[in-house]
Amino acid sequence: DIVVTQSPDSLAVSLGERATINCKSTQSVFSSSNNKNCLAWYQQKPGQPPKLLIFWASTRESGVPDRFSGSGSGTDFTLTISSLQAEDVAVYYCQQYYTTPFTFGGGTKVEIK
Amino acid sequence: EVQLLESGGGLVQPGGSLRIACAASGFTFNTYTMTWVRQAPGKGLEWVSAISDSAAITYYADSVKGRFTISRDNSKNTLYLQMSSLRAEDTALYYCAKDAYSSRWYYFDSWGQGTLVTVSS
Repeated sequence: DIVVTQSPDSLAVSLGERATINCKSTQSVFSSSNNKNCLAWYQQKPGQPPKLLIFWASTRESGVPDRFSGSGSGTDFTLTISSLQAEDVAVYYCQQYYTTPFTFGGGTKVEIK
Repeated sequence: EVQLLESGGGLVQPGGSLRIACAASGFTFNTYTMTWVRQAPGKGLEWVSAISDSAAITYYADSVKGRFTISRDNSKNTLYLQMSSLRAEDTALYYCAKDAYSSRWYYFDSWGQGTLVTVSS
């Protein structure tokens, strides 16, 4: 199974500042069939189900603010919130969908400093 | 609008069984892979099981293999998870999730609100 590890477990960032979350997989999730990385990012606010933010490692879901961006390839990925807003307080998860089981990272809790 | 509504959760004793369901609407259910994801209280997300659009292919996490069975009734637009030999560690909020692409095994673009399964004596 592919193990997905996120870091840090939590971070506190001032409003308007940048937040960076890392995600690392134990094997490459790059698909040669479509030349894309099979990596998604989700946001989960308290009491809510997860919400899709980013797919194919860097494609923003419709309606997601452009302060959210994804980058990386192979085994190393990053979610960046360029200017943290109060409504971005949440837990963020990465997930690989390269092969089953489609494993999630352990989550990163983002708070306001 | 896509809607996924889970039901059937509740309190069950260790070793017991329970079937949960997810009623889908707002999309052509029989053309999408569907998945169950669970979240233990205060913990992260765990992928549990997935089923192809035709139900011909199923996958399970090692933690539930041999105990859980995923199925679907495309005539009723409903996804199921039959859980048996339940353990305390199966206690979680169970979400159903829809794949973003028809007939693919990709990421999830819609999630239900979840149904809580509690395994305790």
